[in-house]
Parts: sequence; C-alpha cells; structure tokens
Amino acid sequence: QKEVEQDPGPLSVPEGAIVSLNCTYSNSAFQYFMWYRQYSRKGPELLMYTYSSGNKEDGRFTAQVDKSSKYISLFIRDSQPSDSATYLCAMSLNAGGTSYGKLTFGQGTILTVHP
Amino acid sequence: GAGVSQSPRYKVAKRGQDVALRCDPISGHVSLFWYQQALGQGPEFLTYFQNEAQLDKSGLPSDRFFAERPEGSVSTLKIQRTQQEDSAVYLCASSVDRGYEQYFGPGTRLTVT
Repeated sequence: QKEVEQDPGPLSVPEGAIVSLNCTYSNSAFQYFMWYRQYSRKGPELLMYTYSSGNKEDGRFTAQVDKSSKYISLFIRDSQPSDSATYLCAMSLNAGGTSYGKLTFGQGTILTVHP
Repeated sequence: GAGVSQSPRYKVAKRGQDVALRCDPISGHVSLFWYQQALGQGPEFLTYFQNEAQLDKSGLPSDRFFAERPEGSVSTLKIQRTQQEDSAVYLCASSVDRGYEQYFGPGTRLTVT
C-alpha cells in the first residue's frame, strides 16, 4: 500500500461546478501538505501549501487538512476549462531542525472541466 | 531566468547508453531535488542537495544513477548504461530554504529504446 492514496479519476465536470479532490495518507508524521497542478507535458505548479491541520483559502481554491482522519482535500469553486489538468497532492515530514521537504506524492487526479 | 529550467527537454537513448540531464534552479535557491515521474504516476523522490552537499540519495534506484551539484547551483543527473525501465520524466525542483515550497522545472522526458 502506498503512503499517499489518490483516486486517479478521471473526473469530468461542467464549467462552474465545485470540484472536490481528495487524498488519504498513512504516515501520521506528515506535517506539510501541498497541492500541485500539472498540465500535460509541463512540470507541477504549486497551488496551495498548508502546515498541519486546518483550512486555507486562495481565490477559488480551498485546501483542507484533517490530520485526525489522515485526509486532505482541495476544493475548486466556479471551475473553468483552464482548470483542466492533473492535480497532485504531496506531503512532507517535519522531523525537526535537520528535516527538509522531501515530497511524497499521490498518483494524481485527472480533471476535465468542459464548457 | 525566472523559473527552474531543465535540458534537454526530450532525450532518446539506446539501451546501454549513458545520459546526462541538467537542471538550472532558481537563482539563490539553496535546496534542489530530483524526482522521477513514470507515466500516469506522481513524481517519486530521487535525491536532495542543500547547496553543494548531497544530503539524501535514498531514492536513487540503482548505482547507475548519479547526481552532482558541484558549485551549489546547476545540477546534473547522470544515468549510466540506461535500461528500458529508466524511461520516465525526470523533474528537478528548487526551494529557497529547506524545501517545503518547491518549484518545479518542466522536466526531461527520457525514452530508452
């Protein structure tokens, strides 16, 4: 079993819909949680970055972290065709002063927003 | 430049050839990471540099893989005697500090025939 599980989809929604993307993880030591967006044949682009539990909002995007359930989510409001991409969750440990941000990724969810 | 750059963008190698993949991080970024992304999968960690020091190489799949960052800026990932299973996209990322916010380059797509 992988440390980070993510439903690969594909997920297809109409323009304007609210999109919910999720990941579960098994390692309770993960403390940093990120969402990346990856367009075809491009590198991942950092969307949201959260430390520990809670919510974070940035424009149409909201990231939620529930450490008690080992579950993270990304919500996209008023989805646009330009949001069509693969969304990757990623997480990292915080082991103290010598730790660093080695990322463990989910498989990625392919999202298509159709006009 | 403004972002992380990688070259070449595409590389085709015959099985058994050696390849070298280059990464130019964002200027001033201390941390540099290499990841391998197979088709339809998320990236997987290969190795980490803090300045010129390689602090973690636990993700390198075999001793055919070697990475360096001699002056703490540009990094090269070298794969010796390439095998078909090495076919993947190789991503480089850099970060201003210890790497909790990483910025990725476009990747090098390696195809071994």
